[in-house]
Amino acid sequence: EIVLTQSPGTLSLSPGERAILSCRASQSVSSYLAWYQQRPGQPPRLLIYDASKRATDIPARFSGSGSGTDFTLTISSLEPEDFAVYYCQQRGTWRNTFGQGTRVEIK
Amino acid sequence: EVQLVESGGGLVKPGGSLRLSCAASGFIFNSHAMTWVRQAPGKGLEWVASIGISSTYKYYADSVKGRVTIFRDNSKNSLYLQMNSLRAEDTAVYYCAREWNDWFDSWGQGTLVTVSS
Repeated sequence: EIVLTQSPGTLSLSPGERAILSCRASQSVSSYLAWYQQRPGQPPRLLIYDASKRATDIPARFSGSGSGTDFTLTISSLEPEDFAVYYCQQRGTWRNTFGQGTRVEIK
Repeated sequence: EVQLVESGGGLVKPGGSLRLSCAASGFIFNSHAMTWVRQAPGKGLEWVASIGISSTYKYYADSVKGRVTIFRDNSKNSLYLQMNSLRAEDTAVYYCAREWNDWFDSWGQGTLVTVSS
């Protein structure tokens, strides 16, 4: 099973700051990686797929990069609604796995 | 508008069974693979099972394999998850999700399953 490790566990930032979230895979997943945002009490929402492609209606302040085993989600300037938990997910194999999540909280 | 509405959750005793349903609307159901993902209280996301468009494939997480069956009825635009031999660790919110280009692009609001005596 491919294990995804996200860091940091919690990111404390202020609105307007840049957020950089990391996801590392235990083996190569090529570009088969996605990022999801989950706000409290809500289901997850697809942000980024294929490592760097923005999903429909996702603002340009969200960007993804990386391939192989190291991936990054960048939020260029945090808006109030961006404070949430973010998960990466791999589909390098049919056995999907998610990372444990990074919480972005207001400092 | 894509809508996925889960139902069937509730309180069940250890060893019991439950069938979850997901009613889909707003898209061509038989053109998409579908998936169940769960989230234990205060925890992260865990993929549970996926099914192909015509049920051509069914994949399960090791944690549920042999106890859970995913199936679909394309004539009813519905996805199901039959869960047997339930354990306390199966307690979670269960989400159904639509697959698009291998990714989960639409999610329901979830249904809570609580396994407790």
